Amino acid sequence: ELKVEQNPLFLSMQEGKNYTIYCNYSTTSDRLYWYRQDPGKSLESLFVLLSNGAVKQEGRLMASLDTKARLSTLHITAAVHDLSATYFCAVDTPGSGYALNFGKGTSLLVTP
Amino acid sequence: DGGITQSPKYLFRKEGQNVTLSCEQNLNHDAMYWYRQDPGQGLRLIYYSQIVNDFQKGDIAEGYSVSREKKESFPLTVTSAQKNPTAFYLCASNPRGPAKNIQYFGAGTRLSVL
Repeated sequence: ELKVEQNPLFLSMQEGKNYTIYCNYSTTSDRLYWYRQDPGKSLESLFVLLSNGAVKQEGRLMASLDTKARLSTLHITAAVHDLSATYFCAVDTPGSGYALNFGKGTSLLVTP
Repeated sequence: DGGITQSPKYLFRKEGQNVTLSCEQNLNHDAMYWYRQDPGQGLRLIYYSQIVNDFQKGDIAEGYSVSREKKESFPLTVTSAQKNPTAFYLCASNPRGPAKNIQYFGAGTRLSVL
């Protein structure tokens, strides 16, 4: 059974600080996805990482993928309040029509 | 504008009632999915369909049914057999292009039990 584990599940950080969210998964996969969800809203795609060593950056967020370690990280640089949201990582499952298997999410709160 | 439309946004179900959640996409995507999200949890797969007139059970299909009569439509019925239906339901689709699997999500339907 494919497992996707994120940590931490809750994160409160001050504006201007840096932090990293970790995503471990239990099966071989070359593709990993990061989504953002605001309260009561749907999911917004942030990054699609398609190969080992992939690194993508958008604003204050940077995601990386190490398929050998089965680990992805989402690094937050100089956090601002607008980044407060829940962040999910997901791995696709070829045996289920490439449906996504999600972690439980990291609820991020950025405070002044 | 291309996208995925879910309706209604909020839905209330009475005891013993079946309810149907609509999902329509105009992205010309082959694959469509239904996920359930409970508070503080990630999404779990209910059903998926890779092609018209074909669909498969996901991890938590019990108490749900779907149909895929048209490429653009993938409705989900929550039957009376689903004893704990209160959740946020998200529909998604993807084009299944080579080396790509970017899933696009609808705005969701929030289902509650009266």
